[in-house]
Amino acid sequence: GNSVTQMEGPVTLSEEAFLTINCTYTATGYPSLFWYVQYPGEGLQLLLKATKADDKGSNKGFEATYRKETTSFHLEKGSVQVSDSAVYFCALSTSNTGNQFYFGTGTSLTVIP
Amino acid sequence: KAGVTQTPRYLIKTRGQQVTLSCSPISGHRSVSWYQQTPGQGLQFLFEYFSETQRNKGNFPGRFSGRQFSNSRSEMNVSTLELGDSALYLCASSLKTGVTDTQYFGPGTRLTVL
Repeated sequence: GNSVTQMEGPVTLSEEAFLTINCTYTATGYPSLFWYVQYPGEGLQLLLKATKADDKGSNKGFEATYRKETTSFHLEKGSVQVSDSAVYFCALSTSNTGNQFYFGTGTSLTVIP
Repeated sequence: KAGVTQTPRYLIKTRGQQVTLSCSPISGHRSVSWYQQTPGQGLQFLFEYFSETQRNKGNFPGRFSGRQFSNSRSEMNVSTLELGDSALYLCASSLKTGVTDTQYFGPGTRLTVL
């Protein structure tokens, strides 16, 4: 079946620290991979995506590379800011499931000044 | 371009009642999906509608239903509410269906069942 596993949170970092949030997946069919971010009291916003192996998605200083050999899509940012504090969700969708997305459990990030 | 809108933003109901939530997709988007978000279960797919037809359904009881109108607006209905239905209900829209497409989410409707 399809599933996404994210590293457990919460994660607390100091401003300007390096961020990694691990995400691995299992999928039937050929998946596209996504990172969404949720700020308090809001819905999910697309952060970045990758649709094929070795693609790198990037946005707002965040990056993630689609690694088919390790079935991973880890999120990284070189220098986090207080405004990056939010919950981050890794998700997949496959050619078999179309718009049915499978989400990880979410990782809460708090960045302290 | 306006984003996905959901109404109402907050609802309080009692057990046994029914509720209807509304979602207006981004202009031009014809696919609308619904998700339930709870602290215990995370984000779970409810169903997807495209061109007024249900295309896909998650593993939820029949108390959860939906529909889509010709203008792509969608409604979700939950009958005979239970305490466990308390959740954030998120609607997402996308251009296409049947292929992987980016979904754009609304702010959600927070449902509290007392």
